Amino acid sequence: AQTVTQSQPEMSVQEAETVTLSCTYDTSESDYYLFWYKQPPSRQMILVIRQEAYKQQNATENRFSVNFQKAAKSFSLKISDSQLGDAAMYFCAYRRPGTYKYIFGTGTRLKVLA
Amino acid sequence: GAVVSQHPSWVICKSGTSVKIECRSLDFQATTMFWYRQFPKQSLMLMATSNEGSKATYEQGVEKDKFLINHASLTLSTLTVTSAHPEDSSFYICSALRDSNQPQHFGDGTRLSIL
Repeated sequence: AQTVTQSQPEMSVQEAETVTLSCTYDTSESDYYLFWYKQPPSRQMILVIRQEAYKQQNATENRFSVNFQKAAKSFSLKISDSQLGDAAMYFCAYRRPGTYKYIFGTGTRLKVLA
Repeated sequence: GAVVSQHPSWVICKSGTSVKIECRSLDFQATTMFWYRQFPKQSLMLMATSNEGSKATYEQGVEKDKFLINHASLTLSTLTVTSAHPEDSSFYICSALRDSNQPQHFGDGTRLSIL
């Protein structure tokens, strides 16, 4: 069975600095999707970035980028130039093609210090 | 685009009553919707997958008679918590899928408190 692990329950970063959130997963599939979602205090889940496993190039969305290491089954999220609005819970999610279901990690709470 | 609306955002009711939560995709048709439950400081737990025009598929351990799901149209799915009790108090979140190549789009969630 697939599992998703986020080993950092909580992280802190100084405003304008860079922080990396880690995520590892376990699967025997070769093709799948990976996502990072942000859940701010308002509780709505917001898609931050996604990565298709067949793509070798790391996905990037403005200040957010991933380091996707398929062989190591690692999918970390880097947030550059951190802003106060980045403070939230961040969830890593795995999706196997053909099922639409997500498997979520346990989340990492990110605090941004002014 | 891809806006999902969930209503109500917060409901408080007495033990024994039934509560209906609506999930609407406002600007797209969603063939598949999902219902999650989230306990404080925990991750999202998938409860069921809802497909338009067919019965929902429930995850193991989720009581289908307790949590009734109806996906009446391509833009609306409802979750009814029947005879709710305090242990059903939680945060419920829905999501909608536009097509298989798209990510899930989430609603704002509903905080359910049973007294």
